[in-house]
Amino acid sequence: DTGVSQDPRHKITKRGQNVTFRCDPISEHNRLYWYRQTLGQGPEFLTYFQNEAQLEKSRLLSDRFSAERPKGSFSTLEIQRTEQGDSAMYLCASSLPTSGRGPTDTQYFGPGTRLTVL
Amino acid sequence: GEDVEQSLFLSVREGDSSVINCTYTDSSSTYLYWYKQEPGAGLQLLTYIFSNMDMKQDQRLTVLLNKKDKHLSLRIADTQTGDSAIYFCAETINDYKLSFGAGTTVTVRA
Repeated sequence: DTGVSQDPRHKITKRGQNVTFRCDPISEHNRLYWYRQTLGQGPEFLTYFQNEAQLEKSRLLSDRFSAERPKGSFSTLEIQRTEQGDSAMYLCASSLPTSGRGPTDTQYFGPGTRLTVL
Repeated sequence: GEDVEQSLFLSVREGDSSVINCTYTDSSSTYLYWYKQEPGAGLQLLTYIFSNMDMKQDQRLTVLLNKKDKHLSLRIADTQTGDSAIYFCAETINDYKLSFGAGTTVTVRA
């Protein structure tokens, strides 16, 4: 299967600890996105990369959050000094902008990492 | 603003049609999407519609778009138990990021 993969699928941590999540996009997809989904809500945009460049960060992304995509392939999302309010599902998506018929930037999502902060 | 709205719940009998409604905000959205999420899973792309289309049919799925009213709907024909899930509509903002509704939970009863 060559879909988007995320690791770990579940993470339980204590308040104040640091956590790091990894996302492997679909091969050759040059755009990579992070979203956060809390219970009963739709996903909310956090940030996105085009190749290794981080082009936008949502105001939801406080300075405790940092995302990287060092070689333009996989990406990591780190949360420092976790708080209970960080508990959520963190979703990664990737896309390959194209021209021609059909959507130019269809995003394909991974299974998500569910974070629980105790 | 980025405020996509959907009805929260829909209960439908197996074999009937389901219709899920959505209103979006950004008239410049070029594509509008429907995604499906099963419990504990990520989002699965179901279908999309280009903003200059009124309707798109894809097997059991029919998408209707009223651009004047910024209203989008998804009809699922012959609804099956496997269609029980949360359905999200999403609009594109600035041609790259997605803005989602809160999702419609569809429950299929026998």
